[in-house]
Parts: sequence; C-alpha cells; structure tokens
Amino acid sequence: SAVISQKPSRDICQRGTSLTIQCQVDSQVTMMFWYRQQPGQSLTLIATANQGSEATYESGFVIDKFPISRPNLTFSTLTVSNMSPEDSSIYLCSVGRDHRGTDTQYFGPGTRLTVL
Amino acid sequence: AQSVTQLGSHVSVSEGALVLLRCNYSSSVPPYLFWYVQYPNQGLQLLLKYTTGATLVKGINGFEAEFKKSETSFHLTKPSAHMSDAAEYFCAVSLYSSASKIIFGSGTRLSIRP
Repeated sequence: SAVISQKPSRDICQRGTSLTIQCQVDSQVTMMFWYRQQPGQSLTLIATANQGSEATYESGFVIDKFPISRPNLTFSTLTVSNMSPEDSSIYLCSVGRDHRGTDTQYFGPGTRLTVL
Repeated sequence: AQSVTQLGSHVSVSEGALVLLRCNYSSSVPPYLFWYVQYPNQGLQLLLKYTTGATLVKGINGFEAEFKKSETSFHLTKPSAHMSDAAEYFCAVSLYSSASKIIFGSGTRLSIRP
C-alpha cells in the first residue's frame, strides 16, 4: 500500500484568491491523480499529474484554473486559482503503482476547501 | 467511453440484514472494477477490486462482489449488516490497469437501522 498525506487538511478562503494543495507519498509511484468531490457528489477526475511533463486534464478542467506540478515521483501540488464559491469541494490526490495491472490506486485524506 | 451506474442513491437496511448495493458498468474493453467506501468526514478506502480471474471477489469487513460480464454488473453484498457499515459506497471502473485513472459512480449512501 501507500501512505499519502495532504496539506492543508482544510481551509477557508476568500473569493478571488488561490490555494495550493500538496500531496506527499511515502514511496515512489508511477501515477498521481487529482480528484474533486463537490458537496454531496461523487468524485470527478481533474487531471493526471505526470512527472517531468505537463499534467493531462479531463474535459471541463483547464490548466489556468487548476495548475499542477509534479517535480518528482513522490510529490505533487494542485493550485485552485481565482477561487469562487463554486470551487468549494474536497480535493483528493490519489496514487497508483502500476505493476502489470496488479497494483491498485490509493487515496489521500483529502483537503476540504470552503470559498466565501 | 466507460461509465458506472449505481442504482439507488440511498439504501437503508436493518442491522443483521443482507446488504446489496447495485452497480452496472459500461466499458468497451475488459474493465477493472472497484468498490470504495467513504466514512463521514474521511477519505476513500478500497473495499475490494476485480482485475482478472475469479469473478467472486472478497474484500474487507465481510463485503464481497461478483463480476458478471453478461449482465455488466458488479454488485456489492454483505450477509449481515453492522451499524459500523453506515457510509457512502462508490463503485468505480478503470480501463488500462488497476492503477490508472478511475471513473466513479454517483455513490450510494448506506444507512443501518437498529
């Protein structure tokens, strides 16, 4: 398995500001992903964080709004830019170590963001 | 494109009763299937997964699920519900491996009546 930590665990932010969320894993992983869980909703994939290259974004998500960094195989950040109340969600990172399809994906504890 | 449908946003059962949470998937290739559980104010925990091989998969906390290709289903069951099972349950699918990006269903909230 993998131990994943996220910082901050929660935050309350003002409209128009930006917040950077950190995701740290205790071992090197191939895949890192960022998901959003809006209140009372399921999880939606924002992007795949690729080490050494730009992130791959899902439909409906853009780099200007959600810039992502992945400087190494154990760390990634997601920034929520120019926030509005609609960005209030739980943001989760997940990791996967793909060994011929036999490994699985593990999730961090999430960052609960409230935008006023 | 792959998708997941969970039937019933809310299921309520009595303590000791059978738990059945329904999940159907759509996939153009053999899928990898998962059930995750989310307890209140906590992150996601993997209950079980199907990759290949045996179609009846046993997970943690007494849960199991059966992959039925002909029915494109992956329903989650537990013979006897416990109060601690109250949580949100998500069925999910990924295509390329069990560590690649995951598409989640809408979730089913399980309530347990005393």
